[in-house]
This record gives sequence, structure tokens and C-alpha cells, in this order.
Amino acid sequence: GQQVMQIPQYQHVQEGEDFTTYCNSSTTLSNIQWYKQRPGGHPVFLIQLVKSGEVKKQKRLTFQFGEAKKNSSLHITATQTTDVGTYFCVGGNMLTFGGGTRLMVKP
Amino acid sequence: NAGVTQTPKFQVLKTGQSMTLQCAQDMNHEYMSWYRQDPGMGLRLIHYSVGAGITDQGEVPNGYNVSRSTTEDFPLRLLSAAPSQTSVYFCASSYGFFMNTEAFFGQGTRLTVV
Repeated sequence: GQQVMQIPQYQHVQEGEDFTTYCNSSTTLSNIQWYKQRPGGHPVFLIQLVKSGEVKKQKRLTFQFGEAKKNSSLHITATQTTDVGTYFCVGGNMLTFGGGTRLMVKP
Repeated sequence: NAGVTQTPKFQVLKTGQSMTLQCAQDMNHEYMSWYRQDPGMGLRLIHYSVGAGITDQGEVPNGYNVSRSTTEDFPLRLLSAAPSQTSVYFCASSYGFFMNTEAFFGQGTRLTVV
């Protein structure tokens, strides 16, 4: 079946440093979504990418969808303590979650 | 605007007991799903439904039953609770399965089986 892998599993950064998480699928994805889950909270939708090579920005967050539609990345510029949480990618019709990347930010 | 409502928020069960986790949405979404999240892990799909009267299994369906008699409600039943079912359970809904739209999650149910 479809597998979606995310790396790294954990990332500690100093506030102000950049952060990137990568998502790789074993199969071509029709789309990919990204969610953020704060500690003790529930996943909250961030964005959806559909087109090959698509790049979308939300303030300090940049999302990319690979040309082959099998990988994606989320890059955060100049992290803040409010960015703390776990970031998940989800492939294809909400059926397959990546394992998530837990971001910890040291003030 | 309630969104997705899950009840209860916390539950402790004894091994062998049965219970139903409730999930209701008021957004007229066709697609609903149940996930479990174990410590430090991602979400794994248990069951999903693409509309009233239609359900299907996800990645980890064993030990769980679902039904979808209305668009609004999608209860998850634990038939005979086991310690391995200790987890946080999330219900989610979205406009359509094939529309690939934003999913809304409930607050979660933290279940402990002793």
C-alpha cells in the first residue's frame, strides 16, 4: 500500500533558525496536505498542494510539491516559539499520514 | 459553529468492556474518518466513510466497528477493549473524499484501557 515517510522525526532549533521537514511517498500522489498539531491539540489544516512543482507560501512557511508528485517539503524561516508542534504531511484522500516531524524551538 | 465534536474527551475502560466514541459534525460533510494516535507517532486510519450508509476499513480496523446512518454522525465502537487500544482517537470530516479538501478534526478522545 501507499507509504508516506517523513524526516526528520524530531528537530530542535534555536529561535530564529530555519527548519525544514521532508515528506516522501512510495507512489505518485494526487495531492498532498500539511497539518500542524500543537502539543496536546488536534491537527489543523495548513495547506494543500495539487500541481507538480507547486510552491506556496504562508508568511514564514514555504511549501513545495515535487515535480514527480512523490515528495514535498515544508520550510519555516526564522522559527518562533509559536511554531512548536508536530507537522504532518498527508497523501491522497486523507488516507495516509506521514509519521510527522516534531519541532521544538529553544527561546 | 461547532465543527467536529467528539465525546467523551477522556475515558478509562477495563479490559473486555465495550464502548462507543461519538463524533458529530455540523458542516454537512460527506467524508468522515477515525484515526488513532499513539505517543510520538503519526495518525493511523481506522475506518472511514464517504457518505451515509457507506463505510470502509483503513489501516488498523481490527477491534473497531463503525456505522454511518446519518451525514452528521460517525460513531466508533470498541467491541472488547484491550490495553493495546489505549490511544488518542481523532475524528475528522471534510467536504468530499474525491474533492481532496481541508479536513477538520475533533478535539480528540483520550482512551486508557486497564
